Amino acid sequence: AQSVTQPDIHITVSEGASLELRCNYSYGATPYLFWYVQSPGQGLQLLLKYFSGDTLVQGIKGFEAEFKRSQSSFNLRKPSVHWSDAAEYFCAVVLLLKAAGNKLTFGGGTRVLVKP
Amino acid sequence: DAGITQSPRHKVTETGTPVTLRCHQTENHRYMYWYRQDPGHGLRLIHYSYGVKDTDKGEVSDGYSVSRSKTEDFLLTLESATSSQTSVYFCAISVGGAGEKLFFGSGTQLSVL
Repeated sequence: AQSVTQPDIHITVSEGASLELRCNYSYGATPYLFWYVQSPGQGLQLLLKYFSGDTLVQGIKGFEAEFKRSQSSFNLRKPSVHWSDAAEYFCAVVLLLKAAGNKLTFGGGTRVLVKP
Repeated sequence: DAGITQSPRHKVTETGTPVTLRCHQTENHRYMYWYRQDPGHGLRLIHYSYGVKDTDKGEVSDGYSVSRSKTEDFLLTLESATSSQTSVYFCAISVGGAGEKLFFGSGTQLSVL
């Protein structure tokens, strides 16, 4: 069965510092990979996705992620965080079903706190 | 927000009572999903739908049922609520072909006392 692991439950970073969130997946084939962000009291918003091709993908809000097949990882990065980046971040993998739609498996999430 | 509305936004109920949560979309998307979110577990899929009257179970479907009698509405029912079903419930729709861009509703906070 597929699974997604986010090893860090909480990360605290200073405003202006760089941020990296880890994501590891377990899946037999090359998966479709996603990062979502959830601000307090809100639903999830897609940051970026990887399907194929260039292993470094750019997303919204200045985020990027790199797919590394050899490490089964899809880590999210941002060079300089802003106070508004404080949120919970979820990595997700999609399993393609026959014709019955695609369902995402989510990691447990990483909560990011930003210090002034 | 892709036209997704969840109702109610908040509900408090007692153990053993039935509860129905509603997800309504305005854009005629085929795929709809119900997730629950709990600390440390991320989001876990309860049930999903790939068309009217076409539904299937997710990873945590026990104690839940769903119905989709028309494209725009996807209902989640807790037949007999238990305290372990206290959670935040999110509805989502999938937009665009095989690529999985999910748009989420704002969530329903359910407390079972």
